Amino acid sequence: GAVVSQHPSWVICKSGTSVKIECRSLDFQATTMFWYRQFPKQSLMLMATSNEGSKATYEQGVEKDKFLINHASLTLSTLTVTSAHPEDSSFYICSARETSGRQADTQYFGPGTRLTVL
Amino acid sequence: DAKTTQPPSMDCAEGRAANLPCNHSTISGNEYVYWYRQIHSQGPQYIIHGLKNNETNEMASLIITEDRKSSTLILPHATLRDTAVYYCIAAFGGATNKLIFGTGTLLAVQP
Repeated sequence: GAVVSQHPSWVICKSGTSVKIECRSLDFQATTMFWYRQFPKQSLMLMATSNEGSKATYEQGVEKDKFLINHASLTLSTLTVTSAHPEDSSFYICSARETSGRQADTQYFGPGTRLTVL
Repeated sequence: DAKTTQPPSMDCAEGRAANLPCNHSTISGNEYVYWYRQIHSQGPQYIIHGLKNNETNEMASLIITEDRKSSTLILPHATLRDTAVYYCIAAFGGATNKLIFGTGTLLAVQP
């Protein structure tokens, strides 16, 4: 149980284009999902908290107009990197918070999406 | 959220127990201790978490000191597949459950 998927697993795009990354909780409902970014040889950095049916909460220094987050259902959150540039190239990882059962409040992570902007 | 301190790296022989320490001296009474690990180029994997009592599951054991200022993650029989970066995180439960990752411990299991 507690499986989170991401799509795509990797994407290469041209500078100036937008890229959408999907995060799905496959066997549980998640009212809250989180988006992280990880640069090479660095730790995960929390970008934003995504709440189903409401606006996302962004961490300090993260541009909300550049990283659009939509959480339209209890099993799906999307992150759109708008007008991507080479400095946005990174490993993007989502997590979903289990809300019931013995593992309530535990976050489970997706496998990540490698974004390369040329 | 309380800051945690971990050694940057550790080695362990295959088949032996791996004991990974974590200091969280400023942890508050209702913050949990979570452990995750990240194998290269993958998303973090949940291992275990606890509040006050020691916890055990199929992956590991978590020993939390009585004053809750430190904890130890124990992998009872380390294998080569356990080579990963292990993160110890102090975080509140509930809707405000943000995980702030530090630099973790790179555990290298040696054959």
